[in-house]
Amino acid sequence: EADIYQTPRYLVIGTGKKITLECSQTMGHDKMYWYQQDPGMELHLIHYSYGVNSTEKGDLSSESTVSRIRTEHFPLTLESARPSHTSQYLCASSRAGNGELFFGEGSRLTVL
Amino acid sequence: LAKTTQPISMDSYEGQEVNITCSHNNIATNDYITWYQQFPSQGPRFIIQGYKTKVTNEVASLFIPADRKSSTLSLPRVSLSDTAVYYCLVGDTGRRALTFGSGTRLQVQP
Repeated sequence: EADIYQTPRYLVIGTGKKITLECSQTMGHDKMYWYQQDPGMELHLIHYSYGVNSTEKGDLSSESTVSRIRTEHFPLTLESARPSHTSQYLCASSRAGNGELFFGEGSRLTVL
Repeated sequence: LAKTTQPISMDSYEGQEVNITCSHNNIATNDYITWYQQFPSQGPRFIIQGYKTKVTNEVASLFIPADRKSSTLSLPRVSLSDTAVYYCLVGDTGRRALTFGSGTRLQVQP
């Protein structure tokens, strides 16, 4: 089993609220990623990080922001949630080189 | 970044061998080919990775021709639990993050 954890698993909030989705891994991986996926649709890369203090935007534009202050932690924040942010957010990590991606179980966000 | 093309969906029956082919005409010298499996409401799970020729593990085989412009994931004797979406990824994760395509939705019937 992969040692990568996401919280919360499910979150229902109202429009305008600030939310942070947590992602932690205990494998010492330098690389971490956030993907967004709607039901039955493909995964879209929204953020990635190759190490501490390194963050890059992915292929899909997102209003969310990320930080990487510690190797094991890669939180995603939405300052003001909107219904259009309703989706599943999947965090992943990998080792250096062409290492496999290890995914968390996802955080399903619903914004009312 | 090499773009991949896979069939949108495939149907099979229990006990059959399933082969899913992925095209990646623009694959670069440093790129690896990696396949993932995803069940509903879960994150994708690594199946197999290869660079050239053939790779086999306990769950699948990966066939890569000499020109590396395509690859075929082979699942021997599928079961109902193999019903999932299968993604082919091509890239060098040492250089940048990988992008998932649309994947192939495999439906296994009894």
